[in-house]
Amino acid sequence: GAVVSQHPSWVICKSGTSVKIECRSLDFQATTMFWYRQFPKQSLMLMATSNEGSKATYEQGVEKDKFLINHASLTLSTLTVTSAHPEDSSFYICSPRRRSYEQFFGPGTRLTVL
Amino acid sequence: TQLLEQSPQFLSIQEGENLTVYCNSSSVFSSLQWYRQEPGEGPVLLVTVVTGGEVKKLKRLTFQFGDARKDSSLHITAAQPGDTGLYLCAGLVGGADGLTFGKGTHLIIQP
Repeated sequence: GAVVSQHPSWVICKSGTSVKIECRSLDFQATTMFWYRQFPKQSLMLMATSNEGSKATYEQGVEKDKFLINHASLTLSTLTVTSAHPEDSSFYICSPRRRSYEQFFGPGTRLTVL
Repeated sequence: TQLLEQSPQFLSIQEGENLTVYCNSSSVFSSLQWYRQEPGEGPVLLVTVVTGGEVKKLKRLTFQFGDARKDSSLHITAAQPGDTGLYLCAGLVGGADGLTFGKGTHLIIQP
């Protein structure tokens, strides 16, 4: 199987604070990690792609200084939303991919910024 | 730019009816996946199709990949309330990019 965990699953924070979301692939090594964002009633939108040990590549319109991605190991990646604002409220989903190009999805993190 | 066009976006039908969801693109995909997502959860993979013209069945769900690998369809027979959810098609262009998702189809099956 392919088990992916995200922590926290749900977070509420005040505007201006930073929030870190962890994503772990529990039973496989993720050579590539994708981070998606999903607004209510909408589909998943790719935010950034990172390979283990390398800097992340961000999609157009996604601020790299606001959404800090660290992929320090093959089983752990983090997304930090810096100086969060209400418009950053969304459902964030990590998606690790292993060498066979199979892409899996975490259970998501619901971020609400007040 | 939306690479994958999914239709319909919303569909509400009665239990027992059949339905088809379409996923179209101008791009050729090396593979295409269909996912189902429940509220507050991540997408769950239903099927992957890789060969043009391929047809896969998963109980009452039938998935088809177009001959040119630019389109796909999901057909549900005798829909049940448990089929309610968001259905997403996603394609992989080349080997280095992440999956690109269609806008999704919100399906409601009324008992």
